[in-house]
Amino acid sequence: GESVGLHLPTLSVQEGDNSIINCAYSNSASDYFIWYKQESGKGPQFIIDIRSNMDKRQGQRVTVLLNKTVKHLSLQIAATQPGDSAVYFCAENGQAGTALIFGKGTTLSVSS
Amino acid sequence: NAGVTQTPKFQVLKTGQSMTLQCAQDMNHEYMSWYRQDPGMGLRLIHYSVGAGITDQGEVPNGYNVSRSTTEDFPLRLLSAAPSQTSVYFCASRARFDTEAFFGQGTRLTVV
Repeated sequence: GESVGLHLPTLSVQEGDNSIINCAYSNSASDYFIWYKQESGKGPQFIIDIRSNMDKRQGQRVTVLLNKTVKHLSLQIAATQPGDSAVYFCAENGQAGTALIFGKGTTLSVSS
Repeated sequence: NAGVTQTPKFQVLKTGQSMTLQCAQDMNHEYMSWYRQDPGMGLRLIHYSVGAGITDQGEVPNGYNVSRSTTEDFPLRLLSAAPSQTSVYFCASRARFDTEAFFGQGTRLTVV
């Protein structure tokens, strides 16, 4: 896995492995966080979100963890599949709380 | 239900020309935003709106104007295009501050 708080621009995994993508956010007052997946030539697609009053939220094959102490967000993908290959972005509400501010993306490559 | 629709999908402009990128949503969302995406830079917020008649600047507003006369439409205007505005532009809408944003398919703009 990756070090807490370290953003890696690329991540390569084998099919069936679990993937962990990390993100550090900047606004300690942010109340909402979200992960998006973006495939080549397409707009970002929603994966999962979490509010600041939660530490963990699970979806189908995905889990988001929020650590407010160190301002860190992570996305865990279980049993990664080739179709998961894409760029993944985390985002948080900006200062006004109305528009999302995006972090740098991580390109996930899944080999079979 | 079309979601967020952006037109055109592709555009080539000459330096100094003006144009308007169109964005329309049919979900009755109050919040709308414009982003630009450059290689390796993620999505950067240009302008956003919290409702008809209300707009505000994001991270990179210079060279762009917006208006919001209706809930459905949020056009982005380039008054005098520059090569530095070559990018992929995404429009997004969301219902509330703690819900996901829905993105259009993007407009790929090249300024020569």
